[in-house]
Amino acid sequence: EAQVTQNPRYLITVTGKKLTVTCSQNMNHEYMSWYRQDPGLGLRQIYYSMNVEVTDKGDVPEGYKVSRKEKRNFPLILESPSPNQTSLYFCASSSRRDPTSGRSTPSSYEQYFGPGTRLTVT
Amino acid sequence: GQQVMQIPQYQHVQEGEDFTTYCNSSTTLSNIQWYKQRPGGHPVFLIQLVKSGEVKKQKRLTFQFGEAKKNSSLHITATQTTDVGTYFCATTDSWGKFQFGAGTQVVVTP
Repeated sequence: EAQVTQNPRYLITVTGKKLTVTCSQNMNHEYMSWYRQDPGLGLRQIYYSMNVEVTDKGDVPEGYKVSRKEKRNFPLILESPSPNQTSLYFCASSSRRDPTSGRSTPSSYEQYFGPGTRLTVT
Repeated sequence: GQQVMQIPQYQHVQEGEDFTTYCNSSTTLSNIQWYKQRPGGHPVFLIQLVKSGEVKKQKRLTFQFGEAKKNSSLHITATQTTDVGTYFCATTDSWGKFQFGAGTQVVVTP
């Protein structure tokens, strides 16, 4: 089954304790992305990756790190979590191939989202 | 960067009625995507529009991209309880950066 998986699904931690949220997709997608969702703010992009070893900042990258060593995995790292990083986090992946022509394009198409990770930092 | 504003923020609809949610931008957009997120769930892709004036339909849902490519709308006819959720519009630039609207939360009363 085509899917995006995230672990853990729920996490309560304390300020300053490093943590990693894993994300994996089995669809051979080039594009992967992390978002945080907060009430009234919609989804805000943290980091994204157009392909292996290529990562770029989204709108809210401060306090986060990512890596893309393999195509299927895109972990999100919080080196020193703070309470303002309490949020619902979603990983997503997407193909960069035009579904009609099959050609590779600069941007991406429909995103497939993981189930979410609810993080609380106390 | 590209910013998209969604209105209304909340929409209470009687079952069977129609409603429309809007997505507006001050800049020309290369594309618009629409997603639906059920309560407690994750966003699910509905459609992508790329052409000026494009209209696409999915059963009771009609999506439209404005002629100037600065706005989009999602119209739902004969609302059902299964339409409950938050609808987001989103746009992406050529470098893969996404911008999501804040969403329209839809509540359906029987």
